[in-house]
Amino acid sequence: DVKVTQSSRYLVKRTGEKVFLECVQDMDHENMFWYRQDPGLGLRLIYFSYDVKMKEKGDIPEGYSVSREKKERFSLILESASTNQTSMYLCASISGSGNTIYFGEGSWLTVV
Amino acid sequence: GENVEQHPSTLSVQEGDSAVIKCTYSDSASNYFPWYKQELGKGPQLIIDIRSNVGEKKDQRIAVTLNKTAKHFSLHITETQPEDSAVYFCAATPRDYKLSFGAGTTVTVRA
Repeated sequence: DVKVTQSSRYLVKRTGEKVFLECVQDMDHENMFWYRQDPGLGLRLIYFSYDVKMKEKGDIPEGYSVSREKKERFSLILESASTNQTSMYLCASISGSGNTIYFGEGSWLTVV
Repeated sequence: GENVEQHPSTLSVQEGDSAVIKCTYSDSASNYFPWYKQELGKGPQLIIDIRSNVGEKKDQRIAVTLNKTAKHFSLHITETQPEDSAVYFCAATPRDYKLSFGAGTTVTVRA
């Protein structure tokens, strides 16, 4: 079974802190994604990566950056957390020739 | 980019009845339409998907229909059970696996 693991499930951070959300997948997938999920807005794409060291902005990249130094790991970085970044963050991956996107369990971030 | 609208936002059905969720999309180039189920505290899981060369697909109690001309697709759940209670998301993509999601439908199955 494909597994997408988000190491931090629940975080509480202060405004202005730097926040790292880590995601690891175990199926050698080329493509990885970070989504943000908010009530009534569905899932919105923040960034995605189609290869190591490659990244592309999604629909709402402002305030975020990403890092993909290894194929299996895709990190989301909040350089200076703000209260409007309180949300649930979902990581996902898919193979280059695949059909199915697999999601992690989500990381709940609260910025106070 | 692609814009996906999903209706209704909430749906309450009696156990054993059918549930239908509808989505419309804007980009005529979209060719892949998955549906995800998200249970409380978990990430979304794929339950069924359909590609643009097919009009309907079934998997046990779940079916999806696609009307490319009208640019809409629907999820049908028959003989609903309490474990069908969850949030359901539709999505569409024209390329690069960059899914655009609907806002979600919270389905409650009443026993």
